[in-house]
Amino acid sequence: EVQLLESGGGLVQPGGSLRLSCAASGFTFKNFAMSWVRQAPGKGLEWVSGIRGGGDRTYLADSVKGRFTISSDPSKNTLYLEMTGLRADDTALYYCAKSEDAVVVNYFESWGQGTLVTVSS
Amino acid sequence: DIQMTQSPSSLSASVGDRVTITCRSSQTINRYLNWYLQKPGKAPKLLIYDASSLQSGVPSRFSGSGSGTDFTLTINSLQPEDFATYYCQQSYTTPLTFGGGTKLEIK
Repeated sequence: EVQLLESGGGLVQPGGSLRLSCAASGFTFKNFAMSWVRQAPGKGLEWVSGIRGGGDRTYLADSVKGRFTISSDPSKNTLYLEMTGLRADDTALYYCAKSEDAVVVNYFESWGQGTLVTVSS
Repeated sequence: DIQMTQSPSSLSASVGDRVTITCRSSQTINRYLNWYLQKPGKAPKLLIYDASSLQSGVPSRFSGSGSGTDFTLTINSLQPEDFATYYCQQSYTTPLTFGGGTKLEIK
């Protein structure tokens, strides 16, 4: 059974940094593309970033380019999202999501339960 | 970026009804269109991928159709557990984008 467990969320001041982690199990991590998708309170879904299986290519939404970095460690079966320069509009529940393909970041067949990031002074 | 527009944004229906939700993309996305269901406090769940392929374990009352820029999700014979928010998402190109959601409520 696929399991995705996010951690690392919390309260951070504007301009601050945070690193989210997603521990994966139940599948061969390096063989699947992964993404981060966020949802602001009471709002819809927004794709934030994706990474190919193997980590050779990454993708970022324009709203986070230059501030967020996605990475993965296949030896630890873990996906990361390094967030810097955080703003109030980054406040959201951040989901880790698994694609069904190694190369293409496409649709999300499995999701974690999310970790909440709150940016406020 | 490709904009995804869902309609309606909310919908009231009764158990047993047939409902249709529409999703339109700002440019052609072939059949790279996916549908999710989300219940309050829960993660989204994949229902349909590539416009019309039913995800494993999803009841057959859910179906998807369309190609190019216009897509539909149809739910036949609504069940109590179907009342939720539905999102479409294009996977034609990055940045991946979602529609604004359709909240399906009990009439």
